[in-house]
Amino acid sequence: RKEVEQDPGPFNVPEGATVAFNCTYSNSASQSFFWYRQDCRKEPKLLMSVYSSGNEDGRFTAQLNRASQYISLLIRDSKLSDSATYLCVVGHTGGFKTIFGAGTRLFVKA
Amino acid sequence: ETGVTQSPTHLIKTRGQQVTLRCSSQSGHNTVSWYQQALGQGPQFIFQYYREEENGRGNFPPRFSGLQFPNYSSELNVNALELDDSALYLCASSRYGVRQETQYFGPGTRLLVL
Repeated sequence: RKEVEQDPGPFNVPEGATVAFNCTYSNSASQSFFWYRQDCRKEPKLLMSVYSSGNEDGRFTAQLNRASQYISLLIRDSKLSDSATYLCVVGHTGGFKTIFGAGTRLFVKA
Repeated sequence: ETGVTQSPTHLIKTRGQQVTLRCSSQSGHNTVSWYQQALGQGPQFIFQYYREEENGRGNFPPRFSGLQFPNYSSELNVNALELDDSALYLCASSRYGVRQETQYFGPGTRLLVL
């Protein structure tokens, strides 16, 4: 079993749609959680950190459920520019090993 | 832009050769992590350097080694290259802390092993 698992996708949605990505992690000692975005042939860029209380940044909402070891990302009112791969990232203290999921590809169409 | 730079941008090597990739961290950052990203996969953690020492390692063989310099820049060395080493190699800089700090990635080096 992979340490961080994401919906494989791809997700094909029309502009204006709401789309949700799910991610599960296996190591209960994980302490830091992030969503990164990666455009084709580019480096990953931080989209948002994920906090236990949940957090929102504009059209993006991230949730963390430690009991279920589950992270989610909700994108509302999708834009064409949201088309990218979304990477779920889990960090551990002690060695600072960081685990990336394989990513979920999103295509937003006009 | 993140301020993290990597060189070279592209590289072609043959099996059995050795390669050195370089990374300059963002100003104010003292930690560098290296990742390997194969096509269609997420980045895989190779190792992290802090205070010029390895501070955590993923499931990569010893032929993957690194260095960090006093100015916090870093090198990734891969010996005895194999075809499966073909990938995008990313470095990320961050500030060392109790929690995993946000990492800022460089543009990567694309390595092709023939």
